[in-house]
Amino acid sequence: DAGVTQSPTHLIKTRGQQVTLRCSPKSGHDTVSWYQQALGQGPQFIFQYYEEEERQRGNFPDRFSGHQFPNYSSELNVNALLLGDSALYLCASSPLAGGVTGELFFGEGSRLTVL
Amino acid sequence: DAKTTQPNSMESNEEEPVHLPCNHSTISGTDYIHWYRQLPSQGPEYVIHGLTSNVNNRMASLAIAEDRKSSTLILHRATLRDAAVYYCIPRSGNTPLVFGKGTRLSVIA
Repeated sequence: DAGVTQSPTHLIKTRGQQVTLRCSPKSGHDTVSWYQQALGQGPQFIFQYYEEEERQRGNFPDRFSGHQFPNYSSELNVNALLLGDSALYLCASSPLAGGVTGELFFGEGSRLTVL
Repeated sequence: DAKTTQPNSMESNEEEPVHLPCNHSTISGTDYIHWYRQLPSQGPEYVIHGLTSNVNNRMASLAIAEDRKSSTLILHRATLRDAAVYYCIPRSGNTPLVFGKGTRLSVIA
């Protein structure tokens, strides 16, 4: 049973460019959340998708947008990249009802470097 | 969101018990206390959670104070693989996880 998979694992962009990160949730999970983790910090919640709609959103600007597909996979898009967007982007999946423990399953992340 | 306070870092010898404390004095009555850990170069992983009673699973034990203002994650025999950043997170329902800086645990062979 594959866990949460993310791609690409690493990428480098320049300021002003746009980036798309992809996530496939764990089998049986219909809810996907995205987190940003700056170096030395804990992950910060960006948004959550369920039934192809954004359900909850953290304190991130509109440059951060997402999408969820009918197969529950998801994309995170960031426009007009800034140096401060350099971070590890983590995808987490869960069943909406939270399952038995309410736990989230995280992927290994996509490390974005903005030059 | 409830504010949490954890030590920045702790150190343990291999095969000895480790007690990782967390203060969450502003926790609400509906918040469960979740613990996640993040191994180097990996995403966070769930460890354990509880509401009021002490909890045990194959990874760890969770001791919750009677007033719920603090909790302690207990690793009964630390191994090198337990070296990670440990996060204590009060959480209600399906709300997003709010991570602090956590405690960096080092395990010495």
